[in-house]
Amino acid sequence: EAGVAQSPRYKIIEKRQSVAFWCNPISGHATLYWYQQILGQGPKLLIQFQNNGVVDDSQLPKDRFSAERLKGVDSTLKIQPAKLEDSAVYLCASSLDTSPRRLEQYFGPGTRLTVT
Amino acid sequence: AQSVTQLGSHVSVSEGALVLLRCNYSSSVPPYLFWYVQYPNQGLQLLLKYTSAATLVKGINGFEAEFKKSETSFHLTKPSAHMSDAAEYFCAVMAYSNSGYALNFGKGTSLLVTP
Repeated sequence: EAGVAQSPRYKIIEKRQSVAFWCNPISGHATLYWYQQILGQGPKLLIQFQNNGVVDDSQLPKDRFSAERLKGVDSTLKIQPAKLEDSAVYLCASSLDTSPRRLEQYFGPGTRLTVT
Repeated sequence: AQSVTQLGSHVSVSEGALVLLRCNYSSSVPPYLFWYVQYPNQGLQLLLKYTSAATLVKGINGFEAEFKKSETSFHLTKPSAHMSDAAEYFCAVMAYSNSGYALNFGKGTSLLVTP
């Protein structure tokens, strides 16, 4: 079974530039998550999709971050314009759905973003 | 709200020694608890999970964790550390909000294994 795929693995941009990350979840997983992991901290949920609808985006900085999951499969996360504090690893995860017994999340390798 | 606290941001053990990584939870309802491991430049991998069945949970790579309600703890242990166990370990609790269920992660504990 293929895991969660993410690209690119690394990205370096200057502040005020834009950047996009792509995620392809495990086949059949209805729920997709984007996390931000700042160095030395645990993952922080940015946005959660159930199929192609947003379940929770309460911690997404909507003035600069956007995400979509067209057709309920793969997803993109965009930052425009980037700030220095956006330097982090962006992790994508998926799960069968959000019911308690099916909440086990599978993570991709992440995209390490450096904003200079 | 459900949350976890990991005690000790860094733990160092000798190869062959006992590994003990501490996690305490806060939850007003019976919690579902998880331990994940993150190797350098990789995503998180599930080690084990507690979902209100047996209180002693066995996971991959020889790790296990015991749910203790009286102590609100879910500490991760391994009898004998290997060099390959060096990684970042995260405890997480399933949290419920108006949006449904999600995971709240601790800040992580970095495990160093010395020869």
